[in-house]
Amino acid sequence: KQEVTQIPAALSVPEGENLVLNCSFTDSAIYNLQWFRQDPGKGLTSLLLIQSSQREQTSGRLNASLDKSSGRSTLYIAASQPGDSATYLCAVRPGTDKLIFGTGTRLQVFP
Amino acid sequence: SQTIHQWPATLVQPVGSPLSLECTVEGTSNPNLYWYRQAAGRGLQLLFYSVGIGQISSEVPQNLSASRPQDRQFILSSKKLLLSDSGFYLCAWSLGGNSPLHFGNGTRLTVT
Repeated sequence: KQEVTQIPAALSVPEGENLVLNCSFTDSAIYNLQWFRQDPGKGLTSLLLIQSSQREQTSGRLNASLDKSSGRSTLYIAASQPGDSATYLCAVRPGTDKLIFGTGTRLQVFP
Repeated sequence: SQTIHQWPATLVQPVGSPLSLECTVEGTSNPNLYWYRQAAGRGLQLLFYSVGIGQISSEVPQNLSASRPQDRQFILSSKKLLLSDSGFYLCAWSLGGNSPLHFGNGTRLTVT
């Protein structure tokens, strides 16, 4: 059974820091991995999608990497800003039409 | 471009009352549609998904049901709500395969 874990559960950093959020999954047989952002009381916003054949994806200050063999993905946020404060979730697609989500990392960036 | 609409945004219902949440997608055809629930302090739980009109797969046994009467419309229902049905309900869509999943803004349901 596929399980997705995100560490840390919460993170508080000063503005301007570069930071890394971690996502690990137990079964390497995945089609893709997707990173989302969720603001309080809101839906999820898709940030990056990495196909199983890819190693990384970049969008602006965000870079996501994927190492299928070790069951790990990282989301790198460069030069963090207070507007980056949110909960970040990763999800894997294990070969069906369903995604399996981690429980998220709650990020706070303070000025 | 594609958009997803979900309503209502918030809902307070008494125990035993019926429920109907609606979700529609615009700008695409034959999407895969999903209902997720996010309970306080817990992760996202897939409730139902649909790959076509009238095709509904249920992920967890519960007091809820889903229907897809039209290609881009997905409805979550209950005949009698329980306190444990409280939570944040999210509708989502994708084009299947390796395409990304996109979410609506969610409905906060409180059962009193």
